[in-house]
Amino acid sequence: AQKVTQAQTEISVVEKEDVTLDCVYETRDTTYYLFWYKQPPSGELVFLIRRNSFDEQNEISGRYSWNFQKSTSSFNFTITASQVVDSAVYFCALSDFVSSGSARQLTFGSGTQLTVLP
Amino acid sequence: DTGVSQDPRHKITKRGQNVTFRCDPISEHNRLYWYRQTLGQGPEFLTYFQNEAQLEKSRLLSDRFSAERPKGSFSTLEIQRTEQGDSAMYLCASSLIGPPRSYNEQFFGPGTRLTVL
Repeated sequence: AQKVTQAQTEISVVEKEDVTLDCVYETRDTTYYLFWYKQPPSGELVFLIRRNSFDEQNEISGRYSWNFQKSTSSFNFTITASQVVDSAVYFCALSDFVSSGSARQLTFGSGTQLTVLP
Repeated sequence: DTGVSQDPRHKITKRGQNVTFRCDPISEHNRLYWYRQTLGQGPEFLTYFQNEAQLEKSRLLSDRFSAERPKGSFSTLEIQRTEQGDSAMYLCASSLIGPPRSYNEQFFGPGTRLTVL
């Protein structure tokens, strides 16, 4: 069974601060995908980033960066120079890897409410 | 806007009534997923379709729940004899199957918020 844990329920930062959201996952699969989604107050889940389990290279995309460590089953997400518009619930998610492409389902964590104060 | 759409956005019903939700995926997407999200939690997988075939159902999908995708385009999710515990946001997502070892993201709709009184 797959499980995703986001221990931080709520985080508040002041605008322009950097903030890191933690994610720990459990899976018996040897290959899998990890994701971060954002859910603003409007409710629609917005895809942010994806990482394959067989590629541990960490990357930066604009103000977003992520730290994937397979040894500790962690997939942390950092927002640099946070902005008020970043305020939302952030979900970490895990999916299996199917050779035919496109996962069957996503397993989500319980989310972290990020509030960026002006 | 060519994203995933869901209708209605909000539904209030009395316990015991039947409700039906509709999801229109992104037009070329052949995979369609249903998730349920309760307050303060992440979405939980319910079921998914590949074209018109329903390929997997979660144990969360009790006998009172039924989903269809008759022509491989839009999908409906029906809940019969609603209970207060069914109150949640019902999310639909779609994706496109790609070549082997590729991955295509699931794009989510705005959801239907169900309140059972």
